[in-house]
Amino acid sequence: EVQLVQSGAEVKKPGESLKISCKISGYNFTSYLIGWVRQMPGKGLEWMGIIYPGDSDTTYSPSFQGQVTISADKSISTAYLQWSSLKASDSAMYYCARRGAGAMLFDIWGQGTMVTVSS
Amino acid sequence: SYELTQPPSVSVSPGQTARITCSGEALPKQYACWYQQKSGQAPVLLIYKDSARPSGIPERFSGSSSGTTVTLTISGVQAEDEADYYCQSADSSATYVVFGGGTKLTVL
Repeated sequence: EVQLVQSGAEVKKPGESLKISCKISGYNFTSYLIGWVRQMPGKGLEWMGIIYPGDSDTTYSPSFQGQVTISADKSISTAYLQWSSLKASDSAMYYCARRGAGAMLFDIWGQGTMVTVSS
Repeated sequence: SYELTQPPSVSVSPGQTARITCSGEALPKQYACWYQQKSGQAPVLLIYKDSARPSGIPERFSGSSSGTTVTLTISGVQAEDEADYYCQSADSSATYVVFGGGTKLTVL
């Protein structure tokens, strides 16, 4: 069974760093791209960026370029989303999702990681 | 930046047909897909390549495309279909993913 299992909820203070994870199982990690999607409380889905785990080639949404870093570790079939200095406005649910083969769609989603940034 | 436009809300009675539109200038060039997100849950892929349905998705969900608009149609709406629905596509160069703003479907 294909699964994307995300790390647990986080509560952080402004200025702190954070790295959340997305562990893949049930298929070859390097065969599909992995994307990250933000959903702020009560709001819609926002695409943040996407990574090809095979060579870590990454494309960021212009809205998130320079704000976050997306990475992947092939050895443990895990993708990451990280911040170097969190802001209160980063408080949101973050989803990882598998991009379908040969198409710009996300066919399998993680359960989401809630990030709360508050002083 | 490229945008996809959806109506914020649609309301229908059980058994009726709901139609949710999504407009974007690159839709004639790029396929669209649709996701259903129920409260407190992750999105689920409903329709891809404008009108294809993944296995396990009920036949009452269908998609269509005409020019710069794609439409999600839910026939014989059931109470369990109450959710937020998002269209998603890519910009004309297929570089960036774009989501529509989402439509809240209310089953009266």
